[in-house]
Amino acid sequence: GESVGLHLPTLSVQEGDNSIINCAYSNSASDYFIWYKQESGKGPQFIIDIRSNMDKRQGQRVTVLLNKTVKHLSLQIAATQPGDSAVYFCAENINLDNQFYFGTGTSLTVIP
Amino acid sequence: DAMVIQNPRYQVTQFGKPVTLSCSQTLNHNVMYWYQQKSSQAPKLLFHYYDKDFNNEADTPDNFQSRRPNTSFCFLDIRSPGLGDAAMYLCATSRDWGNGYTFGSGTRLTVV
Repeated sequence: GESVGLHLPTLSVQEGDNSIINCAYSNSASDYFIWYKQESGKGPQFIIDIRSNMDKRQGQRVTVLLNKTVKHLSLQIAATQPGDSAVYFCAENINLDNQFYFGTGTSLTVIP
Repeated sequence: DAMVIQNPRYQVTQFGKPVTLSCSQTLNHNVMYWYQQKSSQAPKLLFHYYDKDFNNEADTPDNFQSRRPNTSFCFLDIRSPGLGDAAMYLCATSRDWGNGYTFGSGTRLTVV
């Protein structure tokens, strides 16, 4: 499993700017990754996923980049809006394992 | 809409008084998970069911139990809540191993 951090990294961006949220993973066998968005007081919501046979995947205003060489995952949000303010978690799965392992999470604050 | 529903959204219980949290799903997913999430931390898996097969995480306290009487419902029982059990409890489902999760909105448990 992955470590669970006690201190949530934070990121503040101006409305309209692009945001980049990073996630490092430790298991080179991880082959499926998901980014979740969690707003205050709510459950996590699926944003975008990527499998290890890809290095980039795009959705609406979001892009996920996967660098397997350095075991790094990033979420890019274009034209960040106040509604994007939330905690973002990356989660990884290893070979159809019975659970996903969550990263520490990053708190994104969008400044109007 | 198909979804994962958790009741109640907020639960206040007394120290040591048993409490049950409920989760229902209309997705007909095979797997149901219970996660505990404390402030500013990643969700921590307590246990999960694949159909009727129960899987307990090694570090889940005995104080936490679960029941899944049918495909649609899953319950989390906390036999003697302590102050340290105050947290958000998240229910999630997935179609199968290695599939992404659909989360409920969570139940915020307060122990007084």
